[in-house]
Amino acid sequence: KQEVTQIPAALSVPEGENLVLNCSFTDSAIYNLQWFRQDPGKGLTSLLLIQSSQREQTSGRLNASLDKSSGRSTLYIAASQPGDSATYLCSPGNDYKLSFGAGTTVTVRA
Amino acid sequence: EADIYQTPRYLVIGTGKKITLECSQTMGHDKMYWYQQDPGMELHLIHYSYGVNSTEKGDLSSESTVSRIRTEHFPLTLESARPSHTSQYLCASSETTVYGYTFGSGTRLTVV
Repeated sequence: KQEVTQIPAALSVPEGENLVLNCSFTDSAIYNLQWFRQDPGKGLTSLLLIQSSQREQTSGRLNASLDKSSGRSTLYIAASQPGDSATYLCSPGNDYKLSFGAGTTVTVRA
Repeated sequence: EADIYQTPRYLVIGTGKKITLECSQTMGHDKMYWYQQDPGMELHLIHYSYGVNSTEKGDLSSESTVSRIRTEHFPLTLESARPSHTSQYLCASSETTVYGYTFGSGTRLTVV
């Protein structure tokens, strides 16, 4: 059973700081890894998708790395803004489902 | 703009009622999923489908049932709602693992 751990559980930073969100997973036999954002009481918005053969993906201020063999992924958010406040979920995927950790809740203070 | 739609967005219902949560997608994806999420907690897979007439139970035991009669439609039914069913239910779909998953906005169910 895939176990996903996200560290830290919560993070509060002033606007403009760079964010580093860490994810570890126990089963390295994954097809891909997807990072999502979830606002309170809402659904999930896909941020980045990294295939198992890739090392990183970038989209705007977001960059995610993947070290499949060691079971780790890191999401970097540059120059944080108050609108980045949300819970971020790391989700390794195998052939039939995504697994989820508890997420990292980010608060960016204006 | 979301291509996967869930209705209703919020539902408050009395104990013992039968309810159906709707999920539809316009992307032609074969794979569809239902996840359950209690407030502040992790998502857990409760049902999935690989295509028409295919349904499987997920990791978390659930008293709900699903059906897949059409590719675009994957409804979830509770025959007799109980307060323990109070949760958020999220529907998702994918074409292949290459393209990742798309989630709906969720249905927040409260059983009183």
